[in-house]
Amino acid sequence: DIVMTQSPDSLAVSLGERATINCKSSQNVFYSSNNKNYLAWYQQKAGQPPKVLIYWASTRESGVPDRFSGSGSGTDFTLTISSLQAEDVAVYYCHQYYSTPITFGQGTRLEIK
Amino acid sequence: QLQLQESGPGLVKPSETLSLTCIVSGGSISSSSYYWGWIRQPPGKGLEWIGNIYYSGVTYYNPSLKSRVTISLDTSKNQFSLILSSVTAADTAVYYCGRHPGGLNYYHFMDVWGEGTTVTVSS
Repeated sequence: DIVMTQSPDSLAVSLGERATINCKSSQNVFYSSNNKNYLAWYQQKAGQPPKVLIYWASTRESGVPDRFSGSGSGTDFTLTISSLQAEDVAVYYCHQYYSTPITFGQGTRLEIK
Repeated sequence: QLQLQESGPGLVKPSETLSLTCIVSGGSISSSSYYWGWIRQPPGKGLEWIGNIYYSGVTYYNPSLKSRVTISLDTSKNQFSLILSSVTAADTAVYYCGRHPGGLNYYHFMDVWGEGTTVTVSS
C-alpha cells in the first residue's frame, strides 16, 4: 500500500495569512505515460463529507476559490491557501489514486490563530 | 445534479452483517464513465477506502477488508450496496458512498460524495 504522510498534523494561521500543508507518498504517484500525478486534496468541515479541492496534484475543482493551489510531483506535494479565510477552517486530506488500495493521509487540522 | 444518499441500520451487533444502500439520483449507475464506491471514517479518525464497482460488475476491494466485503449494483433501482460481514467495534464509522470517474480497469478519486451514515457496532 502507498502510505501518505501529511505535515503538520495541525496548523494555526492568522486570517489573511498563507497556510501550507505538505504531503509525502511512500511511492511515486506520477504516471509518465500521461504525465499526471495521481494526487488529490480534500477539505472536510465538521459534520460534512469531504469535498475535493484539487486533483491531478494541481488542477482546481470547479467552484473552488483560487486562493487554493496544489503543487508538487512524484512523492512530495503541497496544498497552499494563499490568504486564509474563516470558512477555510477544516481538516485537509491528501489522497493518492495511483494504485489500489487508494489511500489517504492522516489529515491536517487547520485553525485560525 | 448528481446526488447520493446512504441508507441502512445505524446499529449492528458484533459478529453480524452490516448492510448499506446508496441511492443515486440525477445520474445513472449504468454509465461507463464511473465507478461507485464506499469510504468510511471511524469517529475522530481519517478516511479508509472500502471498495468500488463498475457498471459491468467489476469490483475492487481494499485487501484489508476484502474477505468480509461485497459491493453490488441494482441497476433497476439505480442504487448500489455494501455488505460487510462479521463486524466488530472497529467497524464503527461514518460510511460514505460516492462516485469515482474512471473506465475499464482504472478509476480515480471520489468526486461526488453522499452525506454519510453513521453505523455503530455494539451489543
